[in-house]
Amino acid sequence: GAVVSQHPSWVICKSGTSVKIECRSLDFQATTMFWYRQFPKQSLMLMATSNEGSKATYEQGVEKDKFLINHASLTLSTLTVTSAHPEDSSFYICSASVGTSGEGETQYFGPGTRLLVL
Amino acid sequence: AQTVTQSQPEMSVQEAETVTLSCTYDTSESNYYLFWYKQPPSRQMILVIRQEAYKQQNATENRFSVNFQKAAKSFSLKISDSQLGDTAMYFCAFTTSGTYKYIFGTGTRLKVLA
Repeated sequence: GAVVSQHPSWVICKSGTSVKIECRSLDFQATTMFWYRQFPKQSLMLMATSNEGSKATYEQGVEKDKFLINHASLTLSTLTVTSAHPEDSSFYICSASVGTSGEGETQYFGPGTRLLVL
Repeated sequence: AQTVTQSQPEMSVQEAETVTLSCTYDTSESNYYLFWYKQPPSRQMILVIRQEAYKQQNATENRFSVNFQKAAKSFSLKISDSQLGDTAMYFCAFTTSGTYKYIFGTGTRLKVLA
């Protein structure tokens, strides 16, 4: 149980284009989803937290107009990198958790999406 | 500010041996939760073990166990009978009651040697 998928796993795009990454919880309803960015050999950096039906909460320093997050349902969140540039190249990981109590809910992670902007 | 520190960037262990990865954290909260996640070369983050701060008993999951020292704010992970498949990056994470966000450590890269 608690499987999270991401699509696509790999994407290469030209500079200036937009890229959408999907995150789905396959066997549970995720009340909260998270988007992380990970640089090579580094830890995960939280970009934003999203709850179904409401606006995402972005971490300090993350451009909300560049990284658009939509949490349309309890099983789907999307991250759109708008007008992507080479510096946006990275590994993007989503995670999902169940529960609304804020009492240490476990996050279940997707397999990640590697984005390369040329 | 709440922080998580993993002081061992890299470690290695012989197959079938035991290894301990260290993690310390800093918080003024009394109710919080600690996690160890594994990130193998596939980069899929996998939950290894979870510990509630209010529980005195150390969490155990098969070959994985923790040594939770609340007063010392220490949360080490012991891997017994190490296997080649344990080769991965291990991240310690922390979250407090009332928030959903994790604070991650910088990770320890573990290599299990045949």
